[in-house]
Amino acid sequence: RKEVEQDPGPFNVPEGATVAFNCTYSNSASQSFFWYRQDCRKEPKLLMSVYSSGNEDGRFTAQLNRASQYISLLIRDSKLSDSATYLCVVESTGRRALTFGSGTRLQVQP
Amino acid sequence: DVKVTQSSRYLVKRTGEKVFLECVQDMDHENMFWYRQDPGLGLRLIYFSYDVKMKEKGDIPEGYSVSREKKERFSLILESASTNQTSMYLCASSPRDGTYEQYFGPGTRLTVT
Repeated sequence: RKEVEQDPGPFNVPEGATVAFNCTYSNSASQSFFWYRQDCRKEPKLLMSVYSSGNEDGRFTAQLNRASQYISLLIRDSKLSDSATYLCVVESTGRRALTFGSGTRLQVQP
Repeated sequence: DVKVTQSSRYLVKRTGEKVFLECVQDMDHENMFWYRQDPGLGLRLIYFSYDVKMKEKGDIPEGYSVSREKKERFSLILESASTNQTSMYLCASSPRDGTYEQYFGPGTRLTVT
C-alpha cells in the first residue's frame, strides 16, 4: 500500500463550481499534513497546512480525519487559475521527512 | 523572500557521464532534500540532509550520491548516468526538521541519451 494515495483525476469542472479532493495516508503516527499546488512545468508550492481542527483560507478548506486517515481539500467558486495539480503531503513513516502523493489534476473550464 | 535555486533548468548528458546537480538556498535552513518526479509516480525522495556533511538515504538512493560541504549548498551526483535517470529533479529546503513545510527550487529537467 502506498503511504499517500490520491485519485489522479483529472477533475474537469466549470468555473464557479465546488470541487473536493480526498487523500488517504497509512502513517497513523503522522503529525504533519499539507496540501501543495503544482502548476504545469513548475515546482510544487505550499497551498496550506492541514490542522486537526480543520482550516480555511479564502475559498479553500482543508480537513483532517485521523480516525479514517484521510485528508480533504475543498475549493469553492472555482477559478480558471485554480487549474493545477494538487499534492497531498504527509509526514513519512519512520523518518523526519515528508511523503508526497502523486497528485490530483484539476482543470477548471470556462 | 524564500529562495532555492538550482544550477540548470535543462541538462542533456550521455550514458556513463558523471553528472552534478547543484542546489543553493538562502534561508539558512538546516534541512535539504533531493527528489525526482516522474509521471504517475509523483515525487520520490532520493537523499536528504539535516546538517553539513550529514546525509540520509531516501526511497530511491541507488545510482546517486550527495554532498553537503556548506549549509546552503546540497549537490546531487549521478556517478554514471543511465537512461532510466532521465527525469525532473527537484531540490527543497526546510527549517528545523523535515516535517515542516518545504520550499522547492525550479527543478532541473535531465535527459540522459
